[in-house]
Amino acid sequence: EVQLAESGGGLVKPGGSLRLSCATSGLTFNYAWMSWVRQGPGKGLEWVGRMKSKAGGGTTEYAASVKGRFTISRDDSKNTLYLEMNSLKAEDTAVYFCSWIGETNSYYYLGVWGKGTTVTVS
Amino acid sequence: DIQMTQSPSSLSASVGDRVTITCRASQSINNHLNWYQQKAGKAPNLLIYAASSLHSGVPSRFSGSGSGTEFTLTISSLQPEDFATYYCQQSYSTPRTFGQGTKVEIK
Repeated sequence: EVQLAESGGGLVKPGGSLRLSCATSGLTFNYAWMSWVRQGPGKGLEWVGRMKSKAGGGTTEYAASVKGRFTISRDDSKNTLYLEMNSLKAEDTAVYFCSWIGETNSYYYLGVWGKGTTVTVS
Repeated sequence: DIQMTQSPSSLSASVGDRVTITCRASQSINNHLNWYQQKAGKAPNLLIYAASSLHSGVPSRFSGSGSGTEFTLTISSLQPEDFATYYCQQSYSTPRTFGQGTKVEIK
């Protein structure tokens, strides 16, 4: 069974930094494409970004709202995905979910989600 | 960026009702459309991918249809555990945008 567990959330002041982790188990992580999604208080889901596997090029893509401030990275030896967040703003306050990107016949979807970790910028 | 618009934003229904939620894309996404269910305080779960393919373990009362710019999620007979918020998401291009959500409440 694939399991994802986020950690690293907390309270941070505007302009501050935070690094989130997503520990994974039950999947061949070095081949996994992964994503971060966030949800502000009482709001809908917002795609933050994704990272392909190293075999897939290891490239990253980001939402315009976080580009240049957030960085997704991975440590395949630790089966862990990261989200480095800098220059944090109040509007970054949200629950942050990591997700495994599944693929079937070239259709991509967020197949497994972690429980999320809460980031509060205030 | 591709904009995804769901309707309605919320609806009230009774157990046993047939429920339909619509999702429209601002441009054609072929059938690169996913549906997720989110219960209060929980992470979302995948229901349907590729517009109409049921994810493993999802009850058959859920179905999806559509292609191009208009899509629907149908629950054929609403069950108590189906009261939740539903989101569509396009996987045609990045950023992978979501609809704003449709909250299904008990009438």
